This record gives sequence, structure tokens and C-alpha cells, in this order.
Amino acid sequence: GAVVSQHPSWVICKSGTSVKIECRSLDFQATTMFWYRQFPKQSLMLMATSNEGSKATYEQGVEKDKFLINHASLTLSTLTVTSAHPEDSSFYICSAFSGRRGLMNTEAFFGQGTRLTVV
Amino acid sequence: GNSVTQMEGPVTLSEEAFLTINCTYTATGYPSLFWYVQYPGEGLQLLLKATKADDKGSNKGFEATYRKETTSFHLEKGSVQVSDSAVYFCALTQGGSEKLVFGKGTKLTVNP
Repeated sequence: GAVVSQHPSWVICKSGTSVKIECRSLDFQATTMFWYRQFPKQSLMLMATSNEGSKATYEQGVEKDKFLINHASLTLSTLTVTSAHPEDSSFYICSAFSGRRGLMNTEAFFGQGTRLTVV
Repeated sequence: GNSVTQMEGPVTLSEEAFLTINCTYTATGYPSLFWYVQYPGEGLQLLLKATKADDKGSNKGFEATYRKETTSFHLEKGSVQVSDSAVYFCALTQGGSEKLVFGKGTKLTVNP
């Protein structure tokens, strides 16, 4: 099946610094990718929809200036956590759909996730 | 808004035991329903899905039936294996959207 690769799998950074997480679709093109955040023992919460060649669409309550999303190509989306603070520590997961949108045979493929720890 | 509620874990079973993980949803209209599985160290993978009422999704011995009357999509397996140890997520999408709404996940541990 299709593969989505996320990098890095874990990162530790100091407060105030920025961290970039990459999400790549390895064998298919994805005009849309999704970024989720997961707290311990909590559900995956959709943060934003990354659209190739246009601005990302953020969910309510997500700071777009803090979580910068760039989707410059059909196979790569990046999430940059700017001026990170300890409360940003979390598990971040990206996904992309393979297949034509609107059809029932589309399927979401997920990256392995990135564990961010801000100290 | 749309939401998914699944039974809290962790769930610990012995090999060959019967598994049920409950999942109920709240949504308007007719959502599509999914079960995703996350094995240790890996990304989420689609386990099975159902797109309309009374549909049964099945894969790797797991089954779930889309019950409109009870707004449920319970996951079942008749005989679990150690290799089934993972976190299981119930999820839905609606209206052709690709946005997935997830339950909190249920961690399953199967002991030999």
C-alpha cells in the first residue's frame, strides 16, 4: 500500500526554538495532507489541512502563526512549531489520502508520528 | 458536532480469547466508519471500514457492523493473537470529507 513517511520520529528542543516536522508521501501524490496532534490517553485532534500550493486551513483554536504549515509540492508537507514551549510537547501525526477525492475507495495513510518534547 | 466514543482501555486478554471493543458515534446523516490500528512504533493503518448502514467491514479476522439504529460500530475478533497487541482507533468521516474524527483509542495487550 501507499506509504507516508514522517521525520523526525522524535525530537527534543529548548523553549523558544523552532522545530520542523516533515511529512512525505513516498509513492503517491497528495494534494491534501492533514496534521493531527495527540495528547497522552487522548484522541487524535485535527490541527489543520495542508493544501498543496495554497494556504493551510486551520481548525478552530489552533494558532496558525505558531504552527506553520507549508505544502510546497505534491509529496511534501511540513509543520513548523515556532517558539516552542513545554505545553507544545505532544505527538504529531500527519496523514494523506491516496486515491481520487470524493470516491469511496480513498484511504488515509498515516506517518509514524513525531514525539516532540520541549524542555 | 461529530464525535466518536470508544471504550477506554487498556484491555488485556489471553491468546485465543474473544475481543470486543465498543464504539459509538454522534453524527448527522450517514457517516463512513473506520477502525484504525497502530502497532508499536508504526503509523496508523486502516483495519476495516463500512460506508453505509448494515455494512460489515472485515479484515484479518476482525469484524465490525455499521449499526445505524444504535449508532455503533463495535470491533470484534473471535480469537486474538499476541500479534494483535496494538492501539485501536474508531473513526468517522462525513459528507465526502477527508477529515477523520477519532475516538481516544483502546490499547489491547494479548498475552501468550
